[in-house]
Amino acid sequence: EVRLVESGGVVVQPGGSLRLSCATSGFTFDDYTMHWVRQAPGKGLEWVSFITWDGDATFYADSVKGRFAISRDISKNSLYLEMNSLTIEDTAFYYCAKVRVQMTTIDAFDFWGQGTLVTVSS
Amino acid sequence: IQLTQSPSSLSASVGDRVTITCRASQGIKNYLAWLQLKPGKAPKSLIYAASILQSGVPSKFSGSGSGTEFTLTIDSLQPEDFATYYCQQYNSYPLTFGGGTKVEIK
Repeated sequence: EVRLVESGGVVVQPGGSLRLSCATSGFTFDDYTMHWVRQAPGKGLEWVSFITWDGDATFYADSVKGRFAISRDISKNSLYLEMNSLTIEDTAFYYCAKVRVQMTTIDAFDFWGQGTLVTVSS
Repeated sequence: IQLTQSPSSLSASVGDRVTITCRASQGIKNYLAWLQLKPGKAPKSLIYAASILQSGVPSKFSGSGSGTEFTLTIDSLQPEDFATYYCQQYNSYPLTFGGGTKVEIK
């Protein structure tokens, strides 16, 4: 059974930093591109970032470029999102998601985690 | 690529058939997915490639379209189907989502 479990969401002050984690199981982690997607309270979904199965390529939404960094640890089957210079606009549920097909740079998602809430507030 | 969903919300009764539309600002072939979101639960992927059901998704869900116009149809609505539905394109980065359609009980 595929499982994605996010953690690390807390209340943080504007300008602060945070690291989110996504622990995975049930599939060969290093075969799949992984993504972060967020949803601000009462708003729609916004794609944040991806990292390829081999970690060789990453890409970011303009809204987080230069402030967020995605990474993965194959030995721990885990995905991470390092978040810096946080603003109120970064308040959201953050979801990790797995793509359907192995070793593809772009594809539909098939599994998602339940999300972790990041609140940026003074 | 902008995705415009309509309607933004709808009220329906158990047993109804509903249709949601998603329009892309440029052609995306069939690189469109449909998602279901419920509060406090993991998003669920329903359909990919515009019309192919994800494994385990019941056949009451169906999708169609290509290019710029897509639809999601849900047959015989049940209580567990009341949720918010999003379309999402994966033709190119940045990935984008429609604004969502909230399906509520009438």
